Amino acid sequence: SQQGEEDPQALSIQEGENATMNCSYKTSINNLQWYRQNSGRGLVHLILIRSNEREKHSGRLRVTLDTSKKSSSLLITASRAADTASYFCAPYNQGGKLIFGQGTELSVKP
Amino acid sequence: DTGVSQDPRHKITKRGQNVTFRCDPISEHNRLYWYRQTLGQGPEFLTYFQNEAQLEKSRLLSDRFSAERPKGSFSTLEIQRTEQGDSAMYLCASSLGLAGGQNEQFFGPGTRLTVL
Repeated sequence: SQQGEEDPQALSIQEGENATMNCSYKTSINNLQWYRQNSGRGLVHLILIRSNEREKHSGRLRVTLDTSKKSSSLLITASRAADTASYFCAPYNQGGKLIFGQGTELSVKP
Repeated sequence: DTGVSQDPRHKITKRGQNVTFRCDPISEHNRLYWYRQTLGQGPEFLTYFQNEAQLEKSRLLSDRFSAERPKGSFSTLEIQRTEQGDSAMYLCASSLGLAGGQNEQFFGPGTRLTVL
């Protein structure tokens, strides 16, 4: 399916450490998007990586994409307590809708 | 603030009642999406519009659910005869929806529905 599956389901780290989350998918994609959701709030678009890109940076975020392995990773460097949230990947092909997995719940302890 | 607004933010209703939610997308966006999210799960796609046309509906969308986008701007999602299983966060998103575009979606804050 086009659904992204995030791994791990939960991650707990100390402030200042790096956090790495992984995403796997099964079909071909046009792009892959990462979103963040703070508890009880809407989703915030973080970064989009196209299928012909291998790596993309945005501030403290680094996303990689390996289309041969159908996988992506999101790295948050120098994490802060404010990064505590759920993170979702959304592989996108055509057709409009995004199909989300269960997400990775990140807890950053001060 | 992404610019997508939803109203109300919270709704408590009794089983069997009808509820209606509203979503106002970012003004230049021609695509509008509805998702539903329950605790501990990712958002599940319900339906989406391109302008006023409803292009896709999920099998999750039973006959009790209906969505409209009459003028291609705001949208409403109505749930008739609510059931306790309808309790969830209802999320709206919008995107530019350009042909061959990347479909980056911007989400609203959601409407939390509680059915007693």
